[in-house]
Amino acid sequence: DTGVSQNPRHKITKRGQNVTFRCDPISEHNRLYWYRQTLGQGPEFLTYFQNEAQLEKSRLLSDRFSAERPKGSFSTLEIQRTEQGDSAMYLCASSPDIQQTFGSGTRLTVV
Amino acid sequence: GESVGLHLPTLSVQEGDNSIINCAYSNSASDYFIWYKQESGKGPQFIIDIRSNMDKRQGQRVTVLLNKTVKHLSLQIAATQPGDSAVYFCAENRDGNNRLAFGKGNQVVVIP
Repeated sequence: DTGVSQNPRHKITKRGQNVTFRCDPISEHNRLYWYRQTLGQGPEFLTYFQNEAQLEKSRLLSDRFSAERPKGSFSTLEIQRTEQGDSAMYLCASSPDIQQTFGSGTRLTVV
Repeated sequence: GESVGLHLPTLSVQEGDNSIINCAYSNSASDYFIWYKQESGKGPQFIIDIRSNMDKRQGQRVTVLLNKTVKHLSLQIAATQPGDSAVYFCAENRDGNNRLAFGKGNQVVVIP
């Protein structure tokens, strides 16, 4: 499979716990994006990497959120001290230029 | 509140008919637009895109129309099939940095 891969597909966690999601982009894509999607809404931009450099972060990305792309390939998104409001689908996308290809997402449920 | 977001505009269309989905965008400086299809439990899937120097672009069974005067985008699906049932989102590229801003989704339900 040469698409964007995200793991895990589903994560249930207790409020206050930390969670980490992984995204493996399409191998030749140097741009990587994280989005968050809540039920019935379109995806909302969180952050963007070009290679290993994090070039932009949305105001939605609070201090509890951190994203990394250490070698310019896969990326991780960590949420510390999860809150119920963090429950959402977290989507990763990658692109060689402007057209973004999305993964299937990680659905987070905070209980 | 959360319940408002659940009530997506819904288009019910008979199999074989044409579908038209509309989208209004907000930023007159946006120069790139994309339509995505999203099925339940999956990520958005690219359908077609268009740059602001064009007003029409055709793909396989799909056509995107761009009216920059009124900041309006539409997606036409010809001969709609059951597999076209999904939520459709338009997205615009703002600020030239490739972040996508998504509009509200439109649910398409194809009646066999």
